[in-house]
Amino acid sequence: EPEVTQTPSHQVTQMGQEVILRCVPISNHLYFYWYRQILGQKVEFLVSFYNNEISEKSEIFDDQFSVERPDGSNFTLKIRSTKLEDSAMYFCASSLPLGGRETQYFGPGTRLLVL
Amino acid sequence: ILNVEQSPQSLHVQEGDSTNFTCSFPSSNFYALHWYRWETAKSPEALFVMTLNGDEKKKGRISATLNTKEGYSYLYIKGSQPEDSATYLCAFGTQGGSEKLVFGKGTKLTVNP
Repeated sequence: EPEVTQTPSHQVTQMGQEVILRCVPISNHLYFYWYRQILGQKVEFLVSFYNNEISEKSEIFDDQFSVERPDGSNFTLKIRSTKLEDSAMYFCASSLPLGGRETQYFGPGTRLLVL
Repeated sequence: ILNVEQSPQSLHVQEGDSTNFTCSFPSSNFYALHWYRWETAKSPEALFVMTLNGDEKKKGRISATLNTKEGYSYLYIKGSQPEDSATYLCAFGTQGGSEKLVFGKGTKLTVNP
């Protein structure tokens, strides 16, 4: 069964460093999402991506964040200069049509720790 | 601000017990309600997407109901097994824009053998 994959599973970085989180969505899906969960809090939406551009972003998704689909398979989230409060589990998700009434398929997450 | 609440936050049951938990969401402008099952170190697994008031969905021993008029959904597990231990997340599917999901905090279920 097709699945969303994410790498790395864990990443530890120093404050101020850049990190790139990678995702391979399901191959025929068209809509891509990043969510994150800070420990003890709700999973929260960061950004969605369709047709090679951002379709919606949350208040969290400021200039330090960017997303890219560099080729036909990968979908990346870059944090330019990490802060302590960026420590969280980051989930990638994809859906074939828009995901409000359709299943969004999630990857296993990347746990990011900023020291 | 759209708020989704789940209760209880955690639950311990014995193997064989049946259990249920609740997801509450705004009843106005309802679009869709999603349930996920999330085991540590694994991908959240989609269980159900519910869109109509009165919907009932079933997958094995797990079932869910939906009341959009009063803004709640129940998830039921019949005859809990240790492998049912997981965090169960509900998420409100929003309409318009990118149709993002707005999540509750989850209910962490532990089934003791």
